[in-house]
Amino acid sequence: AQTVTQSQPEMSVQEAETVTLSCTYDTSESDYYLFWYKQPPSRQMILVIRQEAYKQQNATENRFSVNFQKAAKSFSLKISDSQLGDAAMYFCAYRSAMAGNQFYFGTGTSLTVIP
Amino acid sequence: EADIYQTPRYLVIGTGKKITLECSQTMGHDKMYWYQQDPGMELHLIHYSYGVNSTEKGDLSSESTVSRIRTEHFPLTLESARPSHTSQYLCASSYISYEQYFGPGTRLTVT
Repeated sequence: AQTVTQSQPEMSVQEAETVTLSCTYDTSESDYYLFWYKQPPSRQMILVIRQEAYKQQNATENRFSVNFQKAAKSFSLKISDSQLGDAAMYFCAYRSAMAGNQFYFGTGTSLTVIP
Repeated sequence: EADIYQTPRYLVIGTGKKITLECSQTMGHDKMYWYQQDPGMELHLIHYSYGVNSTEKGDLSSESTVSRIRTEHFPLTLESARPSHTSQYLCASSYISYEQYFGPGTRLTVT
């Protein structure tokens, strides 16, 4: 089975600064999808950003961008101009492109934004 | 926000009771999932379904059961609740658009 590793259980960032959350994964597949999800305290889990493995260009969504290094199996999330509303648990996830495509989640990184 | 709903949102129940957690989605997604998550912790997949009349157990052993009689509905049942079942239960669905959409969760407390 694929594994997803988030080595930073907790991170903090000053408001308006930039922070990078790390994620590595293990797979023998060449075609897959990677995701970052955000789960604010006591609120719904929502998708932040998605990356297709076949795309060389890094995905961006407003202040959120990824650094996708396929050879290194690394998928980090960069949050620019951090805001108080960015405080949440962030989960990295992997999904195979093959049929029977189960999702695999990392253990999460708790992000604190300091005013 | 995605159209996936879970009821109840909060449930406190005594040991030995039978409970059903409801999950419905209006997006026509064929795949649905149940996760168990303790507060601030990782997600554990307990059941999933790839379509009507298709259900599979996930990675985490669970005493719960699921059914998928209709595409939009994926209820989870605990025949006899125990304090060890106290947790948050998240329902999710997905389709060809790849990502999973999550419901708001049910926070279960078994006393």
